[in-house]
Amino acid sequence: NAGVTQTPKFQVLKTGQSMTLQCAQDMNHNSMYWYRQDPGMGLRLIYYSASEGTTDKGEVPNGYNVSRLNKREFSLRLESAAPSQTSVYFCASVVGVVWNNEQFFGPGTRLTVL
Amino acid sequence: DQQVKQNSPSLSVQEGRISILNCDYTNSMFDYFLWYKKYPAEGPTFLISISSIKDKNEDGRFTVFLNKSAKHLSLHIVPSQPGDSAVYFCAASVTGSARQLTFGSGTQLTVLP
Repeated sequence: NAGVTQTPKFQVLKTGQSMTLQCAQDMNHNSMYWYRQDPGMGLRLIYYSASEGTTDKGEVPNGYNVSRLNKREFSLRLESAAPSQTSVYFCASVVGVVWNNEQFFGPGTRLTVL
Repeated sequence: DQQVKQNSPSLSVQEGRISILNCDYTNSMFDYFLWYKKYPAEGPTFLISISSIKDKNEDGRFTVFLNKSAKHLSLHIVPSQPGDSAVYFCAASVTGSARQLTFGSGTQLTVLP
């Protein structure tokens, strides 16, 4: 099992460009999440998908959109990138939201917006 | 307003000694707490968790203590090993919140050989 995979690992964008970060999990998990981590701060939730077909905003959703493509895949889109979106992005998944279980994280995508 | 706080950005301990990492929270609705470990250029990995109905949970060298009245939890690592050197994040969630995690800012633990 690969667990949670993310592509790309690194990306440099210019202000105003768009891009999509991809995330996939092979653990048959129902729920998936996107976080961002900035220096000196913990991870902050951008969007989540509690189950296939649903998405909801987290703490910092502005400037982002998401798509739960199927049970395995959850993508994060930046329509018009801004320097404030320079960050490390982590995708995570969990079995489901009913019971207490740990979230599994991907290796991250390091994004720089110039 | 930070709901989960880790007030020590860094901690150094000698190999073989105990490491104690602390975490405070303000939201009394939190009922599940987790500790994650993170190495550079990797994603966080789950370490140990505790439900609010318990005050202690052990897993090998790792023990988490929860003091609900003080809204405080701590992670004890005994004995500490050089491979434990990493950033440790405390996280919390509320039942019914779709398991959204609220993270602290992390503590860099360095275990000196």
